[in-house]
Amino acid sequence: DTVMTQSPDSLSVSLGERATIKCKSSQSVLYSNNRNYLGWYQKKPGQPPKLLIYWASTRESGVPERFSGSGSGTDFTLTISSLQAEDVAVYYCQQYLHIPLTFGGGTKVEIK
Amino acid sequence: QVHLVESGGGVVQPGGSLRLSCAASGFSISNYGIHWVRQTPGKGLEWVTFLLFHGNNEYQGDSAKGRFTTSRDTSKNTVYLQMNNLRPDDTAIYFCAKVGLHDPSGHPYHADHWGQGTLVTVSS
Repeated sequence: DTVMTQSPDSLSVSLGERATIKCKSSQSVLYSNNRNYLGWYQKKPGQPPKLLIYWASTRESGVPERFSGSGSGTDFTLTISSLQAEDVAVYYCQQYLHIPLTFGGGTKVEIK
Repeated sequence: QVHLVESGGGVVQPGGSLRLSCAASGFSISNYGIHWVRQTPGKGLEWVTFLLFHGNNEYQGDSAKGRFTTSRDTSKNTVYLQMNNLRPDDTAIYFCAKVGLHDPSGHPYHADHWGQGTLVTVSS
């Protein structure tokens, strides 16, 4: 199985500051079509996961521009450029190239 | 507007069975595959299964193999997750989610719309 390793486990950031989450896959999720099969989800308590980013860097419709994704192959980053109070959540990366699909362990983002 | 509603969760004894339902609206399950994902208490997300848009095949995670199967009723636009031989570590909130794009290959891409989830508790 493809192991997704996220870091850090938790992150405390001041309002308006940048938050950066890393995700590393145990094997490449870059397919021959030059797409990285990597998504980012936001999970708040009592709510379902929300898709933020797919293809590693494509922002889902309606997602604020402060959320951005980057990376290729095995190393990926989710950046929140200016943290807002409503961004407090757990963030998960997921690879969907290899079956079984696998999620990272999650990164909890809090306000400092 | 895309909407998914899970039902069928509850308390079941170890070794028991449960069938979850995922009623979809705003799109046709004949055109889009459906994921099942679970969140265990205090833990993260785990992908469980994916039913392809044509309904003839499914992909499964390790936790589902040999115990869980998916099916569907296109007349009700509903997907089902049949769970047998349940164990305490199957206790979780189970979400169904629509795949983000239609592709003839039926590949399990990212999930763009999710239901609110249904809680399954396996306990004696």
